[in-house]
Amino acid sequence: QEQLVQSGAEVKKSGASVKVPCKASGYTFTSNYLHWVRQAPGQGLEWMGIINPSSGITTYAQKFQGRVSMTRDTSTSTVYMELSSLRSEDTAVYYCARGYCSSTSCHYYFDLWGQGTLVTVSS
Amino acid sequence: EIVLTQSPGTLSLSPGERATLSCRASQSVGSSYLAWYQQKPGQAPRLLIYDASSRAIDIPDRFSGSGSGTDFTLTVSRLEPEDFAVYYCQQYGTSPYTFGQGTNLEI
Repeated sequence: QEQLVQSGAEVKKSGASVKVPCKASGYTFTSNYLHWVRQAPGQGLEWMGIINPSSGITTYAQKFQGRVSMTRDTSTSTVYMELSSLRSEDTAVYYCARGYCSSTSCHYYFDLWGQGTLVTVSS
Repeated sequence: EIVLTQSPGTLSLSPGERATLSCRASQSVGSSYLAWYQQKPGQAPRLLIYDASSRAIDIPDRFSGSGSGTDFTLTVSRLEPEDFAVYYCQQYGTSPYTFGQGTNLEI
């Protein structure tokens, strides 16, 4: 079945970087954009950016510009989100989510989600 | 960026009752590009509604969405025990694709 599988929890020190993988299976990897959304403990959802798995082209939310990098590996159907210069406010569950695409157009709502990766930033 | 404000913050109802959740945008959401998600504790969000009023695959017809412009509503016609969760709206008409702060639907 279609799924996005993420890695287990990470603990990082302030100032470090984290790279979170998201492996897609059960559908054509290059057919849908993939997004990253995070959720701080007890808080709401925050969109971070998008990657086109076919071209590798990315767009990031302005808040994360300069600190986030999204890449993909088509040979393993995996996208990665790397966040650098971590601070305590970056403690959150990070989700990858698939944007919906039909045969003719793509829209940026999310019809398939990974299970989330908890990143804890400690000082 | 478009700010989405959901109300109420918490809604206390009983199974069998009707739930009405509101999502108001700070500016018009183009083409009614608004979605609703349900999230239960420890789980990822689940897509319920897209394009303001279209139900996602396998979503029961007791869930319905309506609205346009800046005012949108999610209605659950008769609450089942499994419907008690947090609900988020999201606009995807204008980047950044923002979410509301959520409505906690509790028993």
